[in-house]
Amino acid sequence: QKEVEQNSGPLSVPEGAIASLNCTYSDRGSQSFFWYRQYSGKSPELIMSIYSNGDKEDGRFTAQLNKASQYVSLLIRDSQPSDSATYLCAVLSGAGSYQLTFGKGTKLSVIP
Amino acid sequence: DAMVIQNPRYQVTQFGKPVTLSCSQTLNHNVMYWYQQKSSQAPKLLFHYYDKDFNNEADTPDNFQSRRPNTSFCFLDIRSPGLGDAAMYLCATSPQRYQETQYFGPGTRLLVL
Repeated sequence: QKEVEQNSGPLSVPEGAIASLNCTYSDRGSQSFFWYRQYSGKSPELIMSIYSNGDKEDGRFTAQLNKASQYVSLLIRDSQPSDSATYLCAVLSGAGSYQLTFGKGTKLSVIP
Repeated sequence: DAMVIQNPRYQVTQFGKPVTLSCSQTLNHNVMYWYQQKSSQAPKLLFHYYDKDFNNEADTPDNFQSRRPNTSFCFLDIRSPGLGDAAMYLCATSPQRYQETQYFGPGTRLLVL
């Protein structure tokens, strides 16, 4: 059973701070990793994808991947109230897999 | 803009009354997926089409069916909705089946009375 674990939160950070969201996964063969943002009542929106170990930066967002530790994280710098949402970690296993396995998400609240 | 469109955005049906949800895409992607997401839960894959090839997840109830008449459209049919089927239904697409980002439509929220 492939599992993706996230702290459900809520994670509260003050405006302007760095928000750190974490995710662990069970399938060591996983090769593709995604972070989606989901506002309440809306569909998931892709924020970042990462495929190799290390950091990947896109604006205020940085994804970090450590395959040896089976760990992926998302950092949000200069957090804004508009970043308040649930962040879903999703993992696509390798070797012919097509199924995205989602975590339950971490709810982030950015306090003005 | 290329996109994934779902209709209707909200659907109310009665217990046991068949309902059809629609998804269309202008991205010309080969793969279309249907997910079910209940409150505070992760999206759960129901099935997907790779071109015309239908792939059902092992734990998807028989009550759920799907059709893909052409590349652009995919339908989710719920033959006899139960109260437990109330959820957000998400359609997603990807260019190919493996190692590819999935793009989600806005979702259809289904309410069963």
